[in-house]
Amino acid sequence: GQQVMQIPQYQHVQEGEDFTTYCNSSTTLSNIQWYKQRPGGHPVFLIQLVKSGEVKKQKRLTFQFGEAKKNSSLHITATQTTDVGTYFCAGPVSARQLTFGSGTQLTVLP
Amino acid sequence: DGGITQSPKYLFRKEGQNVTLSCEQNLNHDAMYWYRQDPGQGLRLIYYSQIVNDFQKGDIAEGYSVSREKKESFPLTVTSAQKNPTAFYLCASSTVTASDTEAFFGQGTRLTVV
Repeated sequence: GQQVMQIPQYQHVQEGEDFTTYCNSSTTLSNIQWYKQRPGGHPVFLIQLVKSGEVKKQKRLTFQFGEAKKNSSLHITATQTTDVGTYFCAGPVSARQLTFGSGTQLTVLP
Repeated sequence: DGGITQSPKYLFRKEGQNVTLSCEQNLNHDAMYWYRQDPGQGLRLIYYSQIVNDFQKGDIAEGYSVSREKKESFPLTVTSAQKNPTAFYLCASSTVTASDTEAFFGQGTRLTVV
């Protein structure tokens, strides 16, 4: 079945450093979504990318969707302690369900 | 306030007992989902429902059952057949399908088998 792989699994950065997580799908995706889960919390939707090569920005967060629509990345510039959490990508297996990546757990050291 | 509510937040169960997790939404969403989350892993789909009185198995449905008698409600029963039920359970809802629009998640239920 379709798999959505995400790396790295864990990332520790010093506050102010940049952070990137990568997502790869075994098949072409119609879209990709990104979610953030704070420690002890639930996933919260961040953004959806639909177009090949699409780049979207949300303040210090930059999201990219690959040209082949099989990979995506999330880059955070100058991390802050509020960025702590697990970031998930998710892609549609079919028209009825999302497959989530295993997530990247970000720790920001003050 | 519109949202999706899961209860209880924490649940303890003895081995061999069935337990039902509640999920209610007032977002008027057609689609509802149950995911299981284990430490260091992503979200794995248990069951999903696109419409009242209809639901489909996800990737890890064995040992679980659901019902969708009302649009607002999608309870999950963890049966004694589930060999390793201790986990964090998340319910989600969305319009149409989660593949096209964002999924809204409840606060989750942390189930522990004692």
